[in-house]
Amino acid sequence: TQLLEQSPQFLSIQEGENLTVYCNSSSVFSSLQWYRQEPGEGPVLLVTVVTGGEVKKLKRLTFQFGDARKDSSLHITAAQPGDTGLYLCAGVDNYGQNFVFGPGTRLSVLP
Amino acid sequence: GAGVSQSPSNKVTEKGKDVELRCDPISGHTALYWYRQSLGQGLEFLIYFQGNSAPDKSGLPSDRFSAERTGGSVSTLTIQRTQQEDSAVYLCASSLRSYEQYFGPGTRLTVT
Repeated sequence: TQLLEQSPQFLSIQEGENLTVYCNSSSVFSSLQWYRQEPGEGPVLLVTVVTGGEVKKLKRLTFQFGDARKDSSLHITAAQPGDTGLYLCAGVDNYGQNFVFGPGTRLSVLP
Repeated sequence: GAGVSQSPSNKVTEKGKDVELRCDPISGHTALYWYRQSLGQGLEFLIYFQGNSAPDKSGLPSDRFSAERTGGSVSTLTIQRTQQEDSAVYLCASSLRSYEQYFGPGTRLTVT
């Protein structure tokens, strides 16, 4: 069974700070997705990474897929209160048959 | 275009009653997923439909839970004889490819 771990579990920072959250596994994934869930809403897909070493940028968010396709990171520059939410990673196995969600990192950005 | 919709948005029911939760996926999406999310927690996978294949029911927590997907579109999640521990937000998602999921707003179920 493939498992995804996310760290930290909780993160509270001040507006303007930078942060990185991590998604790790011992398994190889064919692709990995990041979602953000704001309070009272469903998760929203932010990005999909498919190539080992790939880096994608979405405004102040930078996503990286590990070279071995076992891990990923999300870096936020100059965090804003609107970035507050639950950040979930999800991986699709190497055969494209199964997917799994990580437990999430709950981010709070204080004004 | 329209996103994933779920109804009702809120449901309060008495312990022991049956409830039905509905999900309307994005038109043309072949895959549909149900998740449960307890307060402050991550997503708990319940069931996955892909086209005409047999659904993956491996996440259903007990035989009180069942789901159908009619005509490859609308899905209904049914919980029989509800218990207080069933209280949670039930999320539905659909996807067209690569498990990239588009979620609905959820149904908040409260069992009293």
